[in-house]
Amino acid sequence: DTAVSQTPKYLVTQMGNDKSIKCEQNLGHDTMYWYKQDSKKFLKIMFSYNNKELIINETVPNRFSPKSPDKAHLNLHINSLELGDSAVYFCASSQDGGVEQYFGPGTRLTVT
Amino acid sequence: EDQVTQSPEALRLQEGESSSLNCSYTVSGLRGLFWYRQDPGKGPEFLFTLYSAGEEKEKERLKATLTKKESFLHITAPKPEDSATYLCAVQVGDSWGKLQFGAGTQVVVTP
Repeated sequence: DTAVSQTPKYLVTQMGNDKSIKCEQNLGHDTMYWYKQDSKKFLKIMFSYNNKELIINETVPNRFSPKSPDKAHLNLHINSLELGDSAVYFCASSQDGGVEQYFGPGTRLTVT
Repeated sequence: EDQVTQSPEALRLQEGESSSLNCSYTVSGLRGLFWYRQDPGKGPEFLFTLYSAGEEKEKERLKATLTKKESFLHITAPKPEDSATYLCAVQVGDSWGKLQFGAGTQVVVTP
């Protein structure tokens, strides 16, 4: 009965490749988020969607493209991966854009 | 520019040794301050929301307080299971659910 799940948990890939991370929540929430946590542990918001509509789009390279097929899913596609993309990516969800956000377990992306 | 600064970066406590973590913020119009707990290899877990100066929230051995410039997370008689990184965040701008996080305080409680 996982609330927010992400796949894969670990992702190791080479520079220049394209990869996707998937996120699903079964909490019935209408808002989902992608965060990036870098090596210094700073957690920064990248995107948020409310009912499949893009709400927050931070200063993130165009190589990152979120997609929300329905309000329970939010995927993150990354093109032309770079070394600096190595980080842990967290998906989260909340109701009505509320700040009590429920986070997934994270996807550790390593670009070599 | 909105900023959230947490101190100390790391804290090592003996079991039962109470202490406080600090979160200072500069935001244009605070809409809420939030505490999260993050265990190694896991996503952050929501703890508290504080909206106005003077407000306090408690949960087990944790107590969060808020002033106009900072928030404190007091850990009373901590146990080893309280070991975690504690993150402070503020809601910024008018964007839906947009949080700005501090770098966190890593707490280690030894038996």
